Amino acid sequence: DVVMTQSPLFLPVTLGQPASISCRSSQDLVYSDGNTYLNWFQQRPGQSPRRLIYEVSKRHFGVPDRFSGSGSGTDFTLKISRVEAEDVGVYYCMQGTHWPPITFGQGTRLEIK
Amino acid sequence: EVQLVESGGGLVQPGGSLRLSCAASGFTFSSYWMSWVRQAPGKGLEWVTNIKRDGSEKYYVDSVKGRFTVSRDNAKNSLYLHMSSLRADDTAVYYCARVDDGATLDYWGRGTLVTVSS
Repeated sequence: DVVMTQSPLFLPVTLGQPASISCRSSQDLVYSDGNTYLNWFQQRPGQSPRRLIYEVSKRHFGVPDRFSGSGSGTDFTLKISRVEAEDVGVYYCMQGTHWPPITFGQGTRLEIK
Repeated sequence: EVQLVESGGGLVQPGGSLRLSCAASGFTFSSYWMSWVRQAPGKGLEWVTNIKRDGSEKYYVDSVKGRFTVSRDNAKNSLYLHMSSLRADDTAVYYCARVDDGATLDYWGRGTLVTVSS
């Protein structure tokens, strides 16, 4: 199974400042079709997860452009250019390249300082 | 608008059974794989199962194999999860999600809570 490792697990950020979350996979996530199926999800307190980013860097419909994804192979990053209060929650990376099983990272909790 | 609404959760004793349902709307249900993902209280996300568009292929996480069965009824735009031999560690919120290309989960329901306890 592919293990997804996120860091940090806790991320205190000042409003208006940037934030960055790392996700590393135990295997290269490039699929045989050339695509890399690495996704990022946001889970706000008391809500269900929502997709932010798919295929490393493509933003889901309606996701603000302050969210961006990057990376390749086994190393990936989610960046928020300027953190807003509504960004508080837990962020998960997920791989859909080598499944079953689909696997998630442990989650990174973002809070406002 | 894509909508997924789960139901069927509740309190069940260890060893018992439960069937979850997910009602889908706002898209052509039969054109998509579907998924169940769970989240134990205060924990992270765990993928449980995927089912192909026509139900001909099903995949499960090892911990539920032989105990959980996923199914769908495309005529009713509904997804199901039949859970048996339930254990305390199956306690979780169960989410229904639509599967987009590349096994990405693009839309999620609000979830239904399953509590396994005596």
